[in-house]
Amino acid sequence: EDQVTQSPEALRLQEGESSSLNCSYTVSGLRGLFWYRQDPGKGPEFLFTLYSAGEEKEKERLKATLTKKESFLHITAPKPEDSATYLCAARGGANNLFFGTGTRLTVIP
Amino acid sequence: EPEVTQTPSHQVTQMGQEVILRCVPISNHLYFYWYRQILGQKVEFLVSFYNNEISEKSEIFDDQFSVERPDGSNFTLKIRSTKLEDSAMYFCASRTEYEQYFGPGTRLTVT
Repeated sequence: EDQVTQSPEALRLQEGESSSLNCSYTVSGLRGLFWYRQDPGKGPEFLFTLYSAGEEKEKERLKATLTKKESFLHITAPKPEDSATYLCAARGGANNLFFGTGTRLTVIP
Repeated sequence: EPEVTQTPSHQVTQMGQEVILRCVPISNHLYFYWYRQILGQKVEFLVSFYNNEISEKSEIFDDQFSVERPDGSNFTLKIRSTKLEDSAMYFCASRTEYEQYFGPGTRLTVT
């Protein structure tokens, strides 16, 4: 059964304190690993899609990496405006995305 | 920048009533989706739509649900007889081959 697990559930960082969020996946025939940002009461905001092990993508303070079993979202020198829930999702043999439960990030000034 | 739009932003309805949630996907996208998110839970897939027909649906998408693309721009989700457990955020999404974009959601409250 396809499964996506994210850790930690919640993370509190001081402004400027870099860290990483983890997404472990068990998906047969991975056809994309997606990262989204979600603010309270809003829709998921697309960040990255990764397709193959070793691939990396960057956007501002965020960098996403992919291995055969996991993906990491690295946050470098975060700011309070980076506070949000970060969602990981995988597309396998089916056409839809299978989501994890998310990591709720709080960045304290 | 193109975006997925949804209306209404909030819908309150009584149990047993029919609701229609509306979406305008990004214009050059070919795949369309509905997902839902119950408060505090993960985003769950409901249905995908391609080439004017349902391509996949989850176990959640039972006979009470239907989707339609009545014209070239709108994409709707109908719930025929709402239940209390249908209360959730409903997200429409559309995608290219490489990126999938979500709308802002409709918060459905069933009383």
